Amino acid sequence: LAKTTQPISMDSYEGQEVNITCSHNNIATNDYITWYQQFPSQGPRFIIQGYKTKVTNEVASLFIPADRKSSTLSLPRVSLSDTAVYYCLVGLYNNNDMRFGAGTRLTVKP
Amino acid sequence: DSGVTQTPKHLITATGQRVTLRCSPRSGDLSVYWYQQSLDQGLQFLIQYYNGEERAKGNILERFSAQQFPDLHSELNLSSLELGDSALYFCASSVDGNSPLHFGNGTRLTVT
Repeated sequence: LAKTTQPISMDSYEGQEVNITCSHNNIATNDYITWYQQFPSQGPRFIIQGYKTKVTNEVASLFIPADRKSSTLSLPRVSLSDTAVYYCLVGLYNNNDMRFGAGTRLTVKP
Repeated sequence: DSGVTQTPKHLITATGQRVTLRCSPRSGDLSVYWYQQSLDQGLQFLIQYYNGEERAKGNILERFSAQQFPDLHSELNLSSLELGDSALYFCASSVDGNSPLHFGNGTRLTVT
């Protein structure tokens, strides 16, 4: 079971780049790394998924070093609406490894 | 809009009662997952179904059960309800067992 460790909370200001790092030391060879965003009283929303190196989409980038024991979600130029909890999830979905950690509560200030 | 529909949005019931939560996955998704989220708590994985068959089981109580029907919708049954069962219950779906999850907006259950 790939356990993940993230900071409990982070603060940032509008317009800044935010990087949230997730540690997953016992990641398995076939595990993917997926990040979700959750607003209060809403279901988590898929942000980005990667296996190795770097992945970029219209909302974020995901950096994964060669050893894959950690990953960093990068949010460019955050706004107040990016205030949310961000979860890192590691594992395959067709086994029992789809357990979310505590997540990182990001607060963006004006 | 994730395409995952959960009903009802809110449910208030008394201790000892039984309720059924319903989930319609995104069109084309074969896998359905159920999660429980208590106030200010993380997401607790309950159970996963793939194309009608149970695929994985998490921290699901014996008082809880679920199933996925031939049309791929799923129901989560909660019985002998306790105050501590009050929570948001989320359903998620994915194309298969290896794709990202798409969550519904949840059913808020309040047990009084």
